[in-house]
Amino acid sequence: GAVVSQHPSWVICKSGTSVKIECRSLDFQATTMFWYRQFPKQSLMLMATSNEGSKATYEQGVEKDKFLINHASLTLSTLTVTSAHPEDSSFYICSAQQGGSTNEKLFFGSGTQLSVL
Amino acid sequence: LAKTTQPISMDSYEGQEVNITCSHNNIATNDYITWYQQFPSQGPRFIIQGYKTKVTNEVASLFIPADRKSSTLSLPRVSLSDTAVYYCLVGDRDRDDKIIFGKGTRLHILP
Repeated sequence: GAVVSQHPSWVICKSGTSVKIECRSLDFQATTMFWYRQFPKQSLMLMATSNEGSKATYEQGVEKDKFLINHASLTLSTLTVTSAHPEDSSFYICSAQQGGSTNEKLFFGSGTQLSVL
Repeated sequence: LAKTTQPISMDSYEGQEVNITCSHNNIATNDYITWYQQFPSQGPRFIIQGYKTKVTNEVASLFIPADRKSSTLSLPRVSLSDTAVYYCLVGDRDRDDKIIFGKGTRLHILP
């Protein structure tokens, strides 16, 4: 099956620093990638949808200047948490979809646990 | 908002068959039903997808009645390692082209 690689798996940073998370589709081209965040024992919350070569579409309440998303190629999307604060600590997950069909299944990265001190 | 409703949690014992039902009253004609499994601190993974009647793979079966307003994920002879959260998704995008997860069902397998 298709593989989505997400790095790093975990990161600890100081408040005020920026953190970049990478999401790569290893054996397929992902026309669309999604970024989620998840708090303990809660469901995945969609943050943004990104299509290769265009600006990401952010969900209501998600600050686009704080969570920078770049989908520069069909195999790579990055999420940068800028000027991270403790409240940004969360589990971040990316997913990729190969085609444009509404019923294409999703392939997920393994997630990144971000802890901001 | 998610278009699905599932039980929040379920408990079962090793070796039992577990059935998790998902309601999706507003399913559209072209929507498929997809189930994902998520272990703690991991991303979800695809389990099974179906459109109607029954689908079976090496992991699970998916039963979909004729009206398609619900579906049941069936896990045969569960083990402790099946303890996870199971999400039911209908279609993959709502009309705003977003993929929204519902609350999922937290399945706890007991020895």
